[in-house]
Amino acid sequence: GQQVMQIPQYQHVQEGEDFTTYCNSSTTLSNIQWYKQRPGGHPVFLIQLVKSGEVKKQKRLTFQFGEAKKNSSLHITATQTTDVGTYFCAGFHFSGGYNKLIFGAGTRLAVHP
Amino acid sequence: KAGVTQTPRYLIKTRGQQVTLSCSPISGHRSVSWYQQTPGQGLQFLFEYFSETQRNKGNFPGRFSGRQFSNSRSEMNVSTLELGDSALYLCASSLVPSGSGSGELFFGEGSRLTVL
Repeated sequence: GQQVMQIPQYQHVQEGEDFTTYCNSSTTLSNIQWYKQRPGGHPVFLIQLVKSGEVKKQKRLTFQFGEAKKNSSLHITATQTTDVGTYFCAGFHFSGGYNKLIFGAGTRLAVHP
Repeated sequence: KAGVTQTPRYLIKTRGQQVTLSCSPISGHRSVSWYQQTPGQGLQFLFEYFSETQRNKGNFPGRFSGRQFSNSRSEMNVSTLELGDSALYLCASSLVPSGSGSGELFFGEGSRLTVL
């Protein structure tokens, strides 16, 4: 079935280092979304990417959607302790005349001061 | 604007019992989705309702069921609870159904279920 693979599962960095999480789909995605879940919290929507090759920035966060719309990445420049949490990608797969939203397993980020 | 409200926030049940969780979406949102979250398993999709109709269903046994009311509030029910049902159950509302291929999800705080 459709799958969205996300790597790495877990990463810890020193404050100030960069961080990247990758999302790969077995099939072409209609759109892809990214969410952040702080420890003990609930997922919060960050962004949606729609176009092939799209790049969007939110301050220190850069989101990319691959040319083939099968992969995506989230890059954080100069991490801060406030970046701690789990980052999920979620891709819309179009199948059987209907889009289904499928979440990746998430990347848990720990930032050491 | 009030967010997504889930009740109860915490509950403890024993094996074999049943449980009902409630979700009130953001005003104006007609799509409600339910997810199960366990450590290391990410977000597992349970089902989605839009305008009182189930639009999509995940791969969970029939013990998991749900419904949506005319005011868009939704409930999910788990019967004959098993230890493995212990999890955080998250509800998310959206303006449009996922079938549209768009629309951000607004998650509630979740209902944490412990089955003993």
